Amino acid sequence: DAKTTQPPSMDCAEGRAANLPCNHSTISGNEYVYWYRQIHSQGPQYIIHGLKNNETNEMASLIITEDRKSSTLILPHATLRDTAVYYCIVRSQASGSARQLTFGSGTQLTVLP
Amino acid sequence: DVKVTQSSRYLVKRTGEKVFLECVQDMDHENMFWYRQDPGLGLRLIYFSYDVKMKEKGDIPEGYSVSREKKERFSLILESASTNQTSMYLCASRPAGGANVLTFGAGSRLTVL
Repeated sequence: DAKTTQPPSMDCAEGRAANLPCNHSTISGNEYVYWYRQIHSQGPQYIIHGLKNNETNEMASLIITEDRKSSTLILPHATLRDTAVYYCIVRSQASGSARQLTFGSGTQLTVLP
Repeated sequence: DVKVTQSSRYLVKRTGEKVFLECVQDMDHENMFWYRQDPGLGLRLIYFSYDVKMKEKGDIPEGYSVSREKKERFSLILESASTNQTSMYLCASRPAGGANVLTFGAGSRLTVL
């Protein structure tokens, strides 16, 4: 599996965009980039995923570089409730692959008032 | 709103007790998972099930067993609880095939004294 590297922590001002980077230089052609987040004392929550095109949903946008070696999760207008640990995960969609969905250390995003 | 419900948010048990952690999902998902989460170790997969009465060991199955008698319910059993099983336990589910989009429960924090 491709390994991901994320900064351990980031701060963001409330109302501003939060841009969370992830490096995955060993990603292979059939591997997707997934983002989850975990608010303190809760279970992880799925945010978004993509293969090579940029993706947007009601929660966030995902920008994947053309060479697919890195990506950025964008929360367009961060609120205090977005304070959480954000996990970037790379995984194929092959049958049984969720067995090895590896949540690393992630990035602790703190949204400041 | 679709949900994964874990029966207990907080439990305190004594060493040697038998512990049942229950998880119910209302999304008709085929796959269900049990993870434990410990500081510095991320989420580790204990067991998963891809169908009723089917189960597979994850990365750390020792000291645990599971039961899946109905599609919506996946139980984690600690036959004889030990202090090193003090942890946050997270249940998740997803539909068979397709994307690795897991829906997690809120977690059960178990303390074994």
